[in-house]
Amino acid sequence: KQEVTQIPAALSVPEGENLVLNCSFTDSAIYNLQWFRQDPGKGLTSLLLIQSSQREQTSGRLNASLDKSSGRSTLYIAASQPGDSATYLCAGPGTASKLTFGTGTRLQVTL
Amino acid sequence: GAGVSQSPRYKVAKRGQDVALRCDPISGHVSLFWYQQALGQGPEFLTYFQNEAQLDKSGLPSDRFFAERPEGSVSTLKIQRTQQEDSAVYLCASSLLRYAGASGELFFGEGSRLTVL
Repeated sequence: KQEVTQIPAALSVPEGENLVLNCSFTDSAIYNLQWFRQDPGKGLTSLLLIQSSQREQTSGRLNASLDKSSGRSTLYIAASQPGDSATYLCAGPGTASKLTFGTGTRLQVTL
Repeated sequence: GAGVSQSPRYKVAKRGQDVALRCDPISGHVSLFWYQQALGQGPEFLTYFQNEAQLDKSGLPSDRFFAERPEGSVSTLKIQRTQQEDSAVYLCASSLLRYAGASGELFFGEGSRLTVL
């Protein structure tokens, strides 16, 4: 059974700082790993999808890496902004038909 | 529509009432998922449809939960005889591909927040 863990659970940083969010998973035979953003009271927005054959994906100030052998993924956010404040969730397939989510990292970027 | 639409956005039910939550996926999307998200937790898988076929319902917590997608588009999640522990946000997601957990990007709706008193 796939289990996904995210640390830290919460993080507060000043604007402009670079930061790293961590995600670990137990089943290394994953097809892909996705990072999502969730704003309070909202659904999830997909940020980055890394296929199992890839090592990283980049979108703007976001960079996600995947290391299947160690069961880890990281989300790097460069030059953080207050608008980045949200909960960030990673998810990996438990089976071909469903994703297993971590509990998320709640990020606050302060002025 | 442009995105996944869910209704109602908020539902308050008395314990023992039946509720029905609706999901309109993105047009043409083959895969549809229901997730349950408790406060402060990540979403937990409930069930998965590929077109009208319910291929995985292993996450449904009890036989009070029932989901359908009769024409392969709109889906309804029904909860019978609601209990307080059913209080959560119910998220619907769709994907263009089959077996979206393996290869496809998921698009989520904003969820239906159920509060059982």
